[in-house]
Amino acid sequence: TQLLEQSPQFLSIQEGENLTVYCNSSSVFSSLQWYRQEPGEGPVLLVTVVTGGEVKKLKRLTFQFGDARKDSSLHITAAQPGDTGLYLCAGDLYTGNQFYFGTGTSLTVIP
Amino acid sequence: GAVVSQHPSRVICKSGTSVKIECRSLDFQATTMFWYRQFPKKSLMLMATSNEGSKATYEQGVEKDKFLINHASLTLSTLTVTSAHPEDSSFYICSATFANTGELFFGEGSRLTVL
Repeated sequence: TQLLEQSPQFLSIQEGENLTVYCNSSSVFSSLQWYRQEPGEGPVLLVTVVTGGEVKKLKRLTFQFGDARKDSSLHITAAQPGDTGLYLCAGDLYTGNQFYFGTGTSLTVIP
Repeated sequence: GAVVSQHPSRVICKSGTSVKIECRSLDFQATTMFWYRQFPKKSLMLMATSNEGSKATYEQGVEKDKFLINHASLTLSTLTVTSAHPEDSSFYICSATFANTGELFFGEGSRLTVL
């Protein structure tokens, strides 16, 4: 069982649609990050959230960190084919300097 | 931004041989480096946490004698897959953090194929 569960696991949508990806855990994190990864490459950091309840916006992407610091969400508005990729949340626990990744969400945006 | 480089990016080896993968932080001193393994279309599984000058901390289920990790300096960590077998074929990714900033910098990844 992984520490961070993401849903949905796979998502295929039409260009222009909105979507939300969830990242949930029973553990508390000091910070949580979202990454996007393309095949054969390392993950690329999108955002870091550190405060419970925090909301960050990055163009069409909106990230939220849960009040209890156990969950997060990523909302994409008007998805584009360039948004296609594997989205990963990752968190570091208060109990140690270790980063754990979520189960991943594979997004496909169809033109 | 900070740069982390992995080498080699691809390696093919025969079963039974050992393979070393290097992870270097190019423009900062990495106090902690992490090694992950990733299967196709799956997430990254943390294998071990490596701190400079000390023994790596392995995650449950990861064989420390199979996956040797050395973090000899603040800019270099190595992962050696010993006596590799086909089931060790995977994408291995390292990442580094410094000064407890909470930000990870990733290498490009190394694809290992064991024949």
